[in-house]
Amino acid sequence: DIQMTQSPSSLSASVGDRVTITCRASQSISTYLNWYQQKPGKAPNLLIYAASTLQTGVPSRFSGSGSGTDFTLTISSLQPEDFATYYCQQTSITPRTFGQGTKVEIK
Amino acid sequence: QVQLVESGGGLVKPGGSLRLSCAASGFTFSDYYMTWIRQAPGKGLEWVSFISSSNTYANYADSVKGRFTISRDNARNSLYLQMNNLRDEDTALYFCARGVSSFDWLDPWGQGTLVTVSS
Repeated sequence: DIQMTQSPSSLSASVGDRVTITCRASQSISTYLNWYQQKPGKAPNLLIYAASTLQTGVPSRFSGSGSGTDFTLTISSLQPEDFATYYCQQTSITPRTFGQGTKVEIK
Repeated sequence: QVQLVESGGGLVKPGGSLRLSCAASGFTFSDYYMTWIRQAPGKGLEWVSFISSSNTYANYADSVKGRFTISRDNARNSLYLQMNNLRDEDTALYFCARGVSSFDWLDPWGQGTLVTVSS
């Protein structure tokens, strides 16, 4: 199985901060990497697919990059509605594993 | 609009069985792979299983292989998860989601149905 490791596991940030979350795969997954946002009590919501393509309707302050084994999700200017938990997921091979999540909290 | 609604969750004893359903609407269900994902209380997301659009191929996480069976009825726009020999560690919120394209990103997700395994 491919292991997906996110860092950090949690972070505290202020509104307006630039935030970067890293996801590392245990083997190359090309760009078969997706990012999801989950707010408490809600289902996850797709943010970015194929490593860098912004899902329709997602604000442009979100961006994704990377290929192979190393990927990043960046929020250019954190907004109050962005406080949530973020997950990466590889869809290169089965099982389609998720990272452990990164919780973004208010400083 | 595209919508997925799960049902069938509940309280079941260890060793028991449960069948989850996911009703799809707003899109051509038979064109898409479908996936089950679960989330134990306070924990992260765990991919459980997916099934091909034509019901010919399925795959499972090792943690459920041999106990869970995914299936679908394209005429009824419905996805199912038959869960047998349930264990305490299967307690979770179970989501269904649509897989999009060969990259299989998941969009949208249903709201989830809670399965509690406890004696």
